[in-house]
This record gives sequence, structure tokens and C-alpha cells, in this order.
Amino acid sequence: EVVLTQSPGTLSLSPGERATLSCRASQGVASTYLAWYQQKPGQAPRLLIYGASSRATGIPDRFSGSGSGTDFTLTISRLEPEDFAVYYCQQYGRSVWTFGQGTKVEIK
Amino acid sequence: QEQLVESGGGVVQPGGSLRLSCVASGFTFSAYGMHWVRQTPGKGLEWVAFKRFDGSNEYYADSVEGRFVIFRDNSKNTLYLQMSGLRVEDTAVYYCARRQWDVQGEYFDLWGQGTLVTVSS
Repeated sequence: EVVLTQSPGTLSLSPGERATLSCRASQGVASTYLAWYQQKPGQAPRLLIYGASSRATGIPDRFSGSGSGTDFTLTISRLEPEDFAVYYCQQYGRSVWTFGQGTKVEIK
Repeated sequence: QEQLVESGGGVVQPGGSLRLSCVASGFTFSAYGMHWVRQTPGKGLEWVAFKRFDGSNEYYADSVEGRFVIFRDNSKNTLYLQMSGLRVEDTAVYYCARRQWDVQGEYFDLWGQGTLVTVSS
């Protein structure tokens, strides 16, 4: 089973700043099978990025994904107040789907 | 409007059973594989089970294999999760989620609001 490790656990930033979130896999993941989700308190997760770098419908272009192999990154170019949330990466492989433990982006 | 609505959560004693339901609307349910994903209080997300669009195959996380059964009724646009042998560690919010799979990726593109299962004596 592929283990996804996200870092940092918490990111304290101010609105307008750039956020860089990391997701590292214990073994290689096909880019097609790497996605990112945003979750706010009391809400279900929301798809942000799929295929490592494709934005989901309605997702602003300040969100971008990159990476390949074992290292993937979610970047929020300029944080808006509504972007403070928890972010999860997720992968699929051999009929098993796994999530990272999440990175919380909080207001500094 | 595409929507998933879960129900069936509640409080159950260890060793007990519970059946969750997820009703889909606004899209062709029978064309999509479906997942159950859970989230323990204050913790992260854990994939639980998957059922193919036509019901032909299912897959389970090791933590629930042999205790949980995922099934669906495409005539009722409904996904189910039959849980038995429940443990305290199964306490979580359970989400159903739609599988999206194409040349661009494999991901969960639509989620329900979740239903809370509490296993406690």
C-alpha cells in the first residue's frame, strides 16, 4: 500500500501570501492517479486538482498542482480568506485508494 | 443538481451492525463506480470500500475487510454499506463519493454530506 506523507502539518500564513504544500509517496505514483482536496470545518471534502495538475471545474487558477513520481505539490499563489482549510492529497493504485494525513492552512 | 445524500448513521454497541445508505440524484448513478470514505473525529480521511458501476466488483480497505459489505441497487440509485462486527475504532463520519475515471485521472469528484457512526458501549 502506498503511504502518502504531507508536510507541513500546519502552515501559518497571511492572506495574500503564497502557500506551498507537499505530498510525498512511499513509492512511485502515476500522475494520473494523484488528486488534491480541500476540506473546511463541518463540510465534505471538495475536489481541487486531479491528474496531479488539472484543476477541477470551478476551481480558481490561484490553485495549481505539480509533481511526479513520489513528490507532488499543491500551490496556492495568493491566499484568499476562503482558502484557509485542510488540504489532502490522495492516490490510487492496485485497487487501493489512500489519503495523506492532511495539511492545515491557518491564518497567521 | 448532482447530489449524494447519506443516511443510517447512529450509535451502536461494539460488535453490533448498521447499514448506511447513499441516495444519488441529478446524474446517471448506474454509470459510475462509488466509494465509501470515512473520517474519524478530528482526524484525516480513510478510504473504506469501492463498488464498480455495474456491481461486478468491490474492493475493501484491510481495516474493514470481512466485516463490511458494499452493495448497490441501481434501480433505486442507492449505494449501501452493511457494517457488522463494529469496533470502537470504526467511529467516524462516513461519506459516499462518486468515482471519476478517465484518461486524465482517477479521483472522487462528488461527495455527500456524511453520516456519523458512533460505536460505544
